Amino acid sequence: GAVVSQHPSRVICKSGTSVKIECRSLDFQATTMFWYRQFPKQSLMLMATSNEGSKATYEQGVEKDKFLINHASLTLSTLTVTSAHPEDSSFYICSARDNRGGVEQYFGPGTRLTVT
Amino acid sequence: KNEVEQSPQNLTAQEGEFITINCSYSVGISALHWLQQHPGGGIVSLFMLSSGKKKHGRLIATINIQEKHSSLHITASHPRDSAVYICAVIETSGSRLTFGEGTQLTVNP
Repeated sequence: GAVVSQHPSRVICKSGTSVKIECRSLDFQATTMFWYRQFPKQSLMLMATSNEGSKATYEQGVEKDKFLINHASLTLSTLTVTSAHPEDSSFYICSARDNRGGVEQYFGPGTRLTVT
Repeated sequence: KNEVEQSPQNLTAQEGEFITINCSYSVGISALHWLQQHPGGGIVSLFMLSSGKKKHGRLIATINIQEKHSSLHITASHPRDSAVYICAVIETSGSRLTFGEGTQLTVNP
């Protein structure tokens, strides 16, 4: 149980285009999901907290207009990287918290984004 | 100073060795995660604990809330245990995870 999927697992896009990453909780409902970014050989950095039915809460320094988050259902949150630049190339990971209680976060497998 | 510190940063062991990775934190927490990240990038939650000790197969995690310290032990280590192990705490002030820098473990055959 408590499986989180991400799609796509890898994506290559050209500068200036937008790319959408999906995060799904497969066997539980999640009002709250989290989006992280990880640079090579560094730890995860929280980008934003995604809340179903309301606006996401972004961490300081994260551009809301560049990283659009939509949490339209209890099992799906999406992160759209708009007008992508090579410096947006990174590993993006989502996690989700089960509505049935507890503070544990369940992590997705991550999405490797490369912007050329 | 990081709120969550892990040691060592890098660890190389021979197959079969007993391994310990340490995590110290400076904030009040409601729980602590031990996570495993393989070279492909995916993260697996090994344990979440708020007190005492948990065991799963060859993995053991302990936490001492008073000393603000947790350890992850691997018994009879195997090359497939090679990965980055990350300690992450859930602060009592909220629901966010605060991550340690990770420990790169390499187990040689």
